[in-house]
Amino acid sequence: NAGVTQTPKFQVLKTGQSMTLQCAQDMNHEYMSWYRQDPGMGLRLIHYSVGAGITDQGEVPNGYNVSRSTTEDFPLRLLSAAPSQTSVYFCASSYSFGGAGRWPQHFGDGTRLSIL
Amino acid sequence: QKEVEQDPGPLSVPEGAIVSLNCTYSNSAFQYFMWYRQYSRKGPELLMYTYSSGNKEDGRFTAQVDKSSKYISLFIRDSQPSDSATYLCALDSSYKLIFGSGTRLLVRP
Repeated sequence: NAGVTQTPKFQVLKTGQSMTLQCAQDMNHEYMSWYRQDPGMGLRLIHYSVGAGITDQGEVPNGYNVSRSTTEDFPLRLLSAAPSQTSVYFCASSYSFGGAGRWPQHFGDGTRLSIL
Repeated sequence: QKEVEQDPGPLSVPEGAIVSLNCTYSNSAFQYFMWYRQYSRKGPELLMYTYSSGNKEDGRFTAQVDKSSKYISLFIRDSQPSDSATYLCALDSSYKLIFGSGTRLLVRP
């Protein structure tokens, strides 16, 4: 089935640990993004990419790294986990960066991350 | 003050009711207005969008924008239990995309 696939679905980390959240899409979309969703705060953009080899920061990038070596994959790395990073993380893709295409159209089902 | 405000709900209505979901915003630069639907434990999905002021209809759903009041609405006619979800508004000013925190809707059979 075409779409955005995120792994893992759940993860518990200890403060200071690092990990990578995986995201893959099979729609050949150029634009991919990572959001975090916290109660009462809506979706907030962490990092985004407009194509392979090109990434940029969003609204809340601190503590996270990304890379885009292929069109399909866009992993998010937590460098040193902190309790403030406890959240639900969503990866999204769109068919282009310009105009209506820049709005996230296809989301994965999320990774629920708890930092103890 | 948040740039976009959305009542968290929950909003509970009987099946068949007309539902009105709303967002208010403060920045007049927003030009595109979107609605996303998010089922429990799932990612959001883009329902519909409108540009500037006016109405847009898609089946049972109507999106309405009043830029003079900085107020956007999503109406659902003949609501169904399958419409039970959280509805997020999103606003785009071409350089910034902001999401509301969502309104949880429950349609009772």
